[in-house]
Amino acid sequence: EPEVTQTPSHQVTQMGQEVILRCVPISNHLYFYWYRQILGQKVEFLVSFYNNEISEKSEIFDDQFSVERPDGSNFTLKIRSTKLEDSAMYFCASRDRHYEQYFGPGTRLTVT
Amino acid sequence: AQTVTQSQPEMSVQEAETVTLSCTYDTSENNYYLFWYKQPPSRQMILVIRQEAYKQQNATENRFSVNFQKAAKSFSLKISDSQLGDTAMYFCAFMKGAGDYKLSFGAGTTVTVRA
Repeated sequence: EPEVTQTPSHQVTQMGQEVILRCVPISNHLYFYWYRQILGQKVEFLVSFYNNEISEKSEIFDDQFSVERPDGSNFTLKIRSTKLEDSAMYFCASRDRHYEQYFGPGTRLTVT
Repeated sequence: AQTVTQSQPEMSVQEAETVTLSCTYDTSENNYYLFWYKQPPSRQMILVIRQEAYKQQNATENRFSVNFQKAAKSFSLKISDSQLGDTAMYFCAFMKGAGDYKLSFGAGTTVTVRA
């Protein structure tokens, strides 16, 4: 069964450094999402992406964040200058023309 | 903006027994979808069950069923014949039926199944 994959599973970085989180959505899916979950809190929407552009973003998704689909398979989330409060689990999700979203296993980001 | 409320932070249930998790939501939309996701200790998000708001019939997936009360904006999850593998955090989620289809999650309920 096709699945969403994410790499790395765990990333440790120092405050102020740039990180890139990678996702490979299910191959025939058209819509892509990033969510984050701070430990012990609920899952929050960050951004949605369709047709090579951002379709919606939350107030969390400020200028430090960017997304890209550099080729036909990868979907990346970049944090330009990480802060301590960016420490969280980051989930990628994708869907086809139907409404059901499929989540990847997540990347745990630790900012020290 | 839609808000999703899960009022039970933690629930405990004996193996083979039944547990019901509550979820309420606030929306002015008429067309939307509701979901329950399971997050085990691995933190993977796993879809358990979904409900289309236009359907009156409650969704059922094996031991999991929902009680969808549209007028009351309530969407509870019942886990029957609880198994140890059901131990997880459960999130209720709302999605508008148009636009971007982003998910709005509740705060979650931790379910512990006791042997």
